[in-house]
Amino acid sequence: DAEITQSPRHKITETGRQVTLACHQTWNHNNMFWYRQDLGHGLRLIHYSYGVQDTNKGEVSDGYSVSRSNTEDLPLTLESAASSQTSVYFCASSDQGLADVYNEQFFGPGTRLTVL
Amino acid sequence: AQSVTQLGSHVSVSEGALVLLRCNYSSSVPPYLFWYVQYPNQGLQLLLKYTSAATLVKGINGFEAEFKKSETSFHLTKPSAHMSDAAEYFCAVSHYGNNRLAFGKGNQVVVIP
Repeated sequence: DAEITQSPRHKITETGRQVTLACHQTWNHNNMFWYRQDLGHGLRLIHYSYGVQDTNKGEVSDGYSVSRSNTEDLPLTLESAASSQTSVYFCASSDQGLADVYNEQFFGPGTRLTVL
Repeated sequence: AQSVTQLGSHVSVSEGALVLLRCNYSSSVPPYLFWYVQYPNQGLQLLLKYTSAATLVKGINGFEAEFKKSETSFHLTKPSAHMSDAAEYFCAVSHYGNNRLAFGKGNQVVVIP
């Protein structure tokens, strides 16, 4: 069955270290998204991609970067981890579909990141 | 800019009672509206969506929501709460040609036996 996976599921790191969170989907979806979930804030969009070599900033992109070299993967990199980036991170994907049809986003299980 | 407001971060409901979660949206263009559910330690799952067809939308697990343009609302209801409904619920908005979602802050639902 097609799915979307994230790794690692849990990560503890130190302030200043570079961290990369992996996201892999087997639906062949063009659209991929990264969100962070924090108590009292819901989910906020970090970065998104509409296809290979396309990346865009979301509402909370500072301190994060992504790259899209193939359809299946959108890794999220924290260049220099900060305690404020302690959060749960969710990856999602959706089909491109027709312009006037919203296509459901499918979410991964999440990565819990702690920055000490 | 599009946004949604969900009031009351924690909602307690007795088993068998009505579940009502409120969502109001702000959008400069006709919106697409969604309710997602998150069970503990899991990702989000789509409950239902409004995409300009019928204003009363039925979803999974007995939930439904009604789009009211005059009130800019998309409230979620379920006639009779079950213990398995304990989860966090998020309202989200998007619009035509834009596959990005803007989420509300969520409602944590606790079902009391």
